Amino acid sequence: DTGVSQDPRHKITKRGQNVTFRCDPISEHNRLYWYRQTLGQGPEFLTYFQNEAQLEKSRLLSDRFSAERPKGSFSTLEIQRTEQGDSAMYLCASSHRSSGGKQYFGPGTRLTVL
Amino acid sequence: DAKTTQPPSMDCAEGRAANLPCNHSTISGNEYVYWYRQIHSQGPQYIIHGLKNNETNEMASLIITEDRKSSTLILPHATLRDTAVYYCIVRAQGGSEKLVFGKGTKLTVNP
Repeated sequence: DTGVSQDPRHKITKRGQNVTFRCDPISEHNRLYWYRQTLGQGPEFLTYFQNEAQLEKSRLLSDRFSAERPKGSFSTLEIQRTEQGDSAMYLCASSHRSSGGKQYFGPGTRLTVL
Repeated sequence: DAKTTQPPSMDCAEGRAANLPCNHSTISGNEYVYWYRQIHSQGPQYIIHGLKNNETNEMASLIITEDRKSSTLILPHATLRDTAVYYCIVRAQGGSEKLVFGKGTKLTVNP
């Protein structure tokens, strides 16, 4: 069990560019979550996958954001036409259906939009 | 919106017990109380959860009042490494999978 991993750990981009983040969950965890955290705030839920199906999306997930989990294993989060307001820590978490609601978080990807 | 209220900050002396309170006066009968913590620049870490009975694990104890409107997380012997933001979350199992975080309590353990 190597934990949830995220790549990259840091990303600096210019406004208007597209960025993509990757999350590798704990193996055999069928549930995967994306959260966003800005400075001084708690994480905010973005979206949730069970296997490859995206079952829940927050209204925070505008049409510039898209998340995929094509084979029910790793997931990607893409932000198109980035804006300065997208600067945040993007956190991924995973869980197993028998986890009793416990979610295991990765270290996050810190995005800075200039 | 978060369904919990926590003090924004607390201090504790190293080696002493840290007692972190949480109010959740609108909790429903099927909602559990979860505690997570977030050490600076890391992802949140699960600590403990409970429904109505007190719970204890290797990290902490969770005391839930009989009316379930509040709870206390207890770190029995706080260390400097316990300095973190602690989040109290209520969530129904079998409902939405998301965790709704508030701003949490920033616990500072002092030497």
